[in-house]
Amino acid sequence: DTGVSQDPRHKITKRGQNVTFRCDPISEHNRLYWYRQTLGQGPEFLTYFQNEAQLEKSRLLSDRFSAERPKGSFSTLEIQRTEQGDSAMYLCASSLAGGRGNEQFFGPGTRLTVL
Amino acid sequence: DQQVKQNSPSLSVQEGRISILNCDYTNSMFDYFLWYKKYPAEGPTFLISISSIKDKNEDGRFTVFLNKSAKHLSLHIVPSQPGDSAVYFCAALEGYKLSFGAGTTVTVRA
Repeated sequence: DTGVSQDPRHKITKRGQNVTFRCDPISEHNRLYWYRQTLGQGPEFLTYFQNEAQLEKSRLLSDRFSAERPKGSFSTLEIQRTEQGDSAMYLCASSLAGGRGNEQFFGPGTRLTVL
Repeated sequence: DQQVKQNSPSLSVQEGRISILNCDYTNSMFDYFLWYKKYPAEGPTFLISISSIKDKNEDGRFTVFLNKSAKHLSLHIVPSQPGDSAVYFCAALEGYKLSFGAGTTVTVRA
């Protein structure tokens, strides 16, 4: 399978706990994105990496959220001190820079439930 | 502020007929538009796209039309098939950032 993969697929946690999600992009893609989707809405942009550099963070990404892409390959998204409002589907996408880079390819998502 | 709007939350169509999904946007800086299809418990799957310099793009049963003056695009699926039942998202690109509509749930009736 050469698509975008995400782990875990589901995470249930208690309020105040920290959680970390992993995304493995399509291997030749140097751009990586995180989005968040809540019920009844479309995905909302959170952050963007080109190689290992994080080039933009949405104002939706509070100080409790941090994302890394240390070697320009996989990425992690950590949420500290989770709140019930963090419950959502967290989607990762990747694309090529230039050429067909306008098409972003999404992984299956990690569904987070904060109790 | 919602820059991309899909005003029809649902659409029901008979198998073999045409499905028409609509999308409106407000940001003139959007330069590329995409449609994604999403099944439950899966991530969005890229379907078809169109550059802002074009007004039509066709790929098999799927055609996207863009009317820049009206800031409106539509997706036509013909003929509709049962496997087309899914949520369809319209998305618009500014730079590298996608803005999505809220989605339209399409149900294809046998």
